[in-house]
Amino acid sequence: DTGVSQDPRHKITKRGQNVTFRCDPISEHNRLYWYRQTLGQGPEFLTYFQNEAQLEKSRLLSDRFSAERPKGSFSTLEIQRTEQGDSAMYLCASRGSSGVTDTQYFGPGTRLTVL
Amino acid sequence: TQLLEQSPQFLSIQEGENLTVYCNSSSVFSSLQWYRQEPGEGPVLLVTVVTGGEVKKLKRLTFQFGDARKDSSLHITAAQPGDTGLYLCAGAGGNNRLAFGKGNQVVVIP
Repeated sequence: DTGVSQDPRHKITKRGQNVTFRCDPISEHNRLYWYRQTLGQGPEFLTYFQNEAQLEKSRLLSDRFSAERPKGSFSTLEIQRTEQGDSAMYLCASRGSSGVTDTQYFGPGTRLTVL
Repeated sequence: TQLLEQSPQFLSIQEGENLTVYCNSSSVFSSLQWYRQEPGEGPVLLVTVVTGGEVKKLKRLTFQFGDARKDSSLHITAAQPGDTGLYLCAGAGGNNRLAFGKGNQVVVIP
C-alpha cells in the first residue's frame, strides 16, 4: 500500500496526558498537512510542511500542539496536557510538488478521545 | 467560519433515484476537490476540478465546477447503497491549505 498511513488509528487518554501521533506520507510527496475534524464538521487546517520546514500554522494550533517533520519524510503531531476539547479526528494529508493541481491525499486518521 | 457552504446537509433517497448536492462559496478557488468519507475513516479523493465550467464524470458521478470557480455540484445517477457516505468539497486558494465545507451526508436506502 503506497497511500498515506497514520498511527495509531485510535487513542484514548486521560485529561492532562501527552499524546503523539505519526503520519507517513506518500513516499514521493514533499508536502505534508495536518487537519483536525470534529463531529459534524469538515476538516480544519492545522499546519503545513514543505520537506522538513514548517511553513504555515493555523491559529487553531495552540502552544500545547507541536508538529515536526525532522527528515522531510514522516511527521509527528504532539499534544501536551490534553483537554477534553482536543477530542477529534486528526487527519494527515500529503501532496506532491509536480502537477498543476492542489490535490491532497488523506490518511485514515487518528481518532483521539480525551476522558 | 466555513468558507464553503454545502447543501443539503442531509439527503436520504431510494436506490435508483438521482440526486444533486451543491458546494457554494463567495471565494474563488484555484481548484476544488470532492472527497467521500466513511465513518471513522479519512476522506477519499473522488475528483479534482481546475477549470471554470469543467465537467468531470466518474462512473455514475458527474462533477461540475462553476464558471467563476466559486461553486460546484455533484450529481449521482441511479444511486446505489454503496454511494452512501459524507461528501466533502474542499477549495484550494493558493495558500497551501484546503478549506472544507461541512459535507453532504447522503443515505441511499435499498
